[in-house]
Amino acid sequence: DAEITQSPRHKITETGRQVTLACHQTWNHNNMFWYRQDLGHGLRLIHYSYGVHDTNKGEVSDGYSVSRSNTEDLPLTLESAASSQTSVYFCASSDSQGASTGELFFGEGSRLTVL
Amino acid sequence: SQQGEEDPQALSIQEGENATMNCSYKTSINNLQWYRQNSGRGLVHLILIRSNEREKHSGRLRVTLDTSKKSSSLLITASRAADTASYFCATDAGLTGGGNKLTFGTGTQLKVEL
Repeated sequence: DAEITQSPRHKITETGRQVTLACHQTWNHNNMFWYRQDLGHGLRLIHYSYGVHDTNKGEVSDGYSVSRSNTEDLPLTLESAASSQTSVYFCASSDSQGASTGELFFGEGSRLTVL
Repeated sequence: SQQGEEDPQALSIQEGENATMNCSYKTSINNLQWYRQNSGRGLVHLILIRSNEREKHSGRLRVTLDTSKKSSSLLITASRAADTASYFCATDAGLTGGGNKLTFGTGTQLKVEL
């Protein structure tokens, strides 16, 4: 069965370190998204991609970067982790449906703690 | 900023009762979607309603959309303890909203007690 997987599921790191969260989907979806979820804020969009070599900034992109070298993967990198980036991170993917966004398929989340 | 805001933030009901959650949004949309999230898990898609639709059903779920009021409601009938979860609305503002992506609200925490 097709799926979307995130790794690691839990990570503790120190302020200033570089961290990369992996996201891999086997749906063959063109669209991939990274959200962060914080209490009181719901889900906020960090970065997204509509295809290979395409990346776009979302609502809260400062301090994060992504790259899309193939259809299946969209890794999220925190260049220099800050305590404000302690959060739960969700990757999602969707199929292209022209001008409309279809159903998103979510991973199980990566809980990141920055000390 | 959030496009969708759910109301209430938390809802506690007895098993067998109906649960109604509301979502308000700010800009025109292509579609509105509802998602469910069990504690510690990823979000799962429940239902999508397009801007030209007013009501949609899926099993025990009923979604309405009023584009003139920029609001939607999710009704879960005959609720079960297994429906305990957080529910989020998400809006697709389309290309005029900056591209094909969803903006999520802050969610409603539903607790269904036995």
